[in-house]
Amino acid sequence: GAVVSQHPSRVICKSGTSVKIECRSLDFQATTMFWYRQFPKKSLMLMATSNEGSKATYEQGVEKDKFLINHASLTLSTLTVTSAHPEDSSFYICSVSGGSDTQYFGPGTRLTVL
Amino acid sequence: AQSVTQLDSQVPVFEEAPVELRCNYSSSVSVYLFWYVQYPNQGLQLLLKYLSGSTLVKGINGFEAEFNKSQTSFHLRKPSVHISDTAEYFCAVSDRLRNTDKLIFGTGTRLQVFP
Repeated sequence: GAVVSQHPSRVICKSGTSVKIECRSLDFQATTMFWYRQFPKKSLMLMATSNEGSKATYEQGVEKDKFLINHASLTLSTLTVTSAHPEDSSFYICSVSGGSDTQYFGPGTRLTVL
Repeated sequence: AQSVTQLDSQVPVFEEAPVELRCNYSSSVSVYLFWYVQYPNQGLQLLLKYLSGSTLVKGINGFEAEFNKSQTSFHLRKPSVHISDTAEYFCAVSDRLRNTDKLIFGTGTRLQVFP
């Protein structure tokens, strides 16, 4: 399957700052990537579907201006948490659509907003 | 709309014992079904998936699951667990009629294997 990396693995930032998280597909050209958010001891919540070269499709209740997604190439999608607040602290996971209804997940990024 | 229910939030079991992790889904359309495993501070890894064909699906690490359409279930089983199986397990569904890979996840079951 596809190998997916995320950078950084952990980030701590001050409230009000913006944080960018990268998701890279290392060996697979991904036209579609997904961004999930996982709260402690909770399931994954799909935030948005990122399509290469076009605007992301956000799930209901997810603020587009808060969580900016850019999928500029077939191997890179970025999620920027703008003006982060403590309630944005979470585990953010990306995945790559590998066809055959299979997704390959990145290792996740732990965001802590102080 | 689709939903996934994992009734057991935690399942403690001794090493070499059998285990079953339950998953039930609700959907008005046909679905694909998946089980993913998440080790601490890691992303998700696909264990197995049901797309069509035989209702008994075998996956990695000795796991298997059976699709039961009448009971809308897709329970995960392993005849003999190891300490290394300790992890969080997620059941997920996707709409097989829509041209999308969007997954709906259950809340997860933490499998804790004791020596």
